[in-house]
Amino acid sequence: AQSVAQPEDQVNVAEGNPLTVKCTYSVSGNPYLFWYVQYPNRGLQFLLKYITGDNLVKGSYGFEAEFNKSQTSFHLKKPSALVSDSALYFCAVRDGTGGFNTIFGAGTRLFVKA
Amino acid sequence: SAVISQKPSRDICQRGTSLTIQCQVDSQVTMMFWYRQQPGQSLTLIATANQGSEATYESGFVIDKFPISRPNLTFSTLTVSNMSPEDSSIYLCSGKREGFTDTQYFGPGTRLTVL
Repeated sequence: AQSVAQPEDQVNVAEGNPLTVKCTYSVSGNPYLFWYVQYPNRGLQFLLKYITGDNLVKGSYGFEAEFNKSQTSFHLKKPSALVSDSALYFCAVRDGTGGFNTIFGAGTRLFVKA
Repeated sequence: SAVISQKPSRDICQRGTSLTIQCQVDSQVTMMFWYRQQPGQSLTLIATANQGSEATYESGFVIDKFPISRPNLTFSTLTVSNMSPEDSSIYLCSGKREGFTDTQYFGPGTRLTVL
């Protein structure tokens, strides 16, 4: 069965510093991995995805994520955090063996302090 | 990216009543889903809305409680029936194209409070 874990409930970072939001996954086949962001009182917005190819994926708002097959991880990163990045971040995985169900992690709340 | 709209954006309802949430997607979308999200928590898939046929429900969700319609490709409704305070949640409509690797997009959500 597929699963995804976000080990940190909350991440705090100062504005201008690099940020990392962690995600690990478990699937039977090839993983298709996604990151979404949710601002207060809003739906989920798609940030980026990994399907195949280059392990470093670049997405919206300056975010990027690195796929690491040996560590089964897909951590979200940004070189310089902004206060406006404060939000709830969800990692999600879809199992390449079939089925359209996307499994979402528990979410990590990011606080960026000015 | 696909455009997905929902209404109402929020509602406060009395116990025992029902609420129907509408979702409209643009023509890029072929698959539609309904999720529930407790505030600040993760998403739980309620069902996949199938065009012209009964929705496919996930474990723990039943048609009598959450009837879903999808009369055409771009429109779906979710009804929360006989509501109780435990149904207070955010309900999200989602859609994607047919391809397995295609991105899933979300509507803005409907925040439901049951008194």
